[in-house]
Amino acid sequence: DVKVTQSSRYLVKRTGEKVFLECVQDMDHENMFWYRQDPGLGLRLIYFSYDVKMKEKGDIPEGYSVSREKKERFSLILESASTNQTSMYLCASSLEQGFPGANVLTFGAGSRLTVL
Amino acid sequence: AQSVAQPEDQVNVAEGNPLTVKCTYSVSGNPYLFWYVQYPNRGLQFLLKYITGDNLVKGSYGFEAEFNKSQTSFHLKKPSALVSDSALYFCAVRDGDDKIIFGKGTRLHILP
Repeated sequence: DVKVTQSSRYLVKRTGEKVFLECVQDMDHENMFWYRQDPGLGLRLIYFSYDVKMKEKGDIPEGYSVSREKKERFSLILESASTNQTSMYLCASSLEQGFPGANVLTFGAGSRLTVL
Repeated sequence: AQSVAQPEDQVNVAEGNPLTVKCTYSVSGNPYLFWYVQYPNRGLQFLLKYITGDNLVKGSYGFEAEFNKSQTSFHLKKPSALVSDSALYFCAVRDGDDKIIFGKGTRLHILP
């Protein structure tokens, strides 16, 4: 089974701190995504990546950055955390186009971040 | 821009009754449509997808979805609801950049 592992299930940080959320997948997927999930707003795409060292902005990239130095790892960075970034963060991965099962996202368990 | 709408925040169904969770979409070109489920304290899981072919798509846990091009809908259905089906359900669509865009979710409550 494809596994997507998010390093932290729960984090509590203070306003202004730099926050790293790590995500690792073990099935050689090309595509990786970061979403945030908020009640009543569903999932909103922050950033995604189709390949190593590539990144694309999603719908709500402000206040975030990402890093993909290795194919299996996709990190979300909050340079200076703010209270409005308190949320559940979900990492996902998928195969690239042209392969069976492409477009189907496999999600990690999520990282719940609280910014005080 | 591609989008999906889930018009109901919550759906209540008695156990054993058929259930429907609604989804409408707006895309240019042929739609790639998906349903995901999130059980309490767990990550999202893929249920089913429509890419092309039969309008009725079967997925996991006895769920199915009906693609209706004229109504731009992709409703999730199950003939007989179980209490264990209680969860948060998300409809999603692939946009032109291969991003997957999600709806706001519908909470399904199955009443014993």
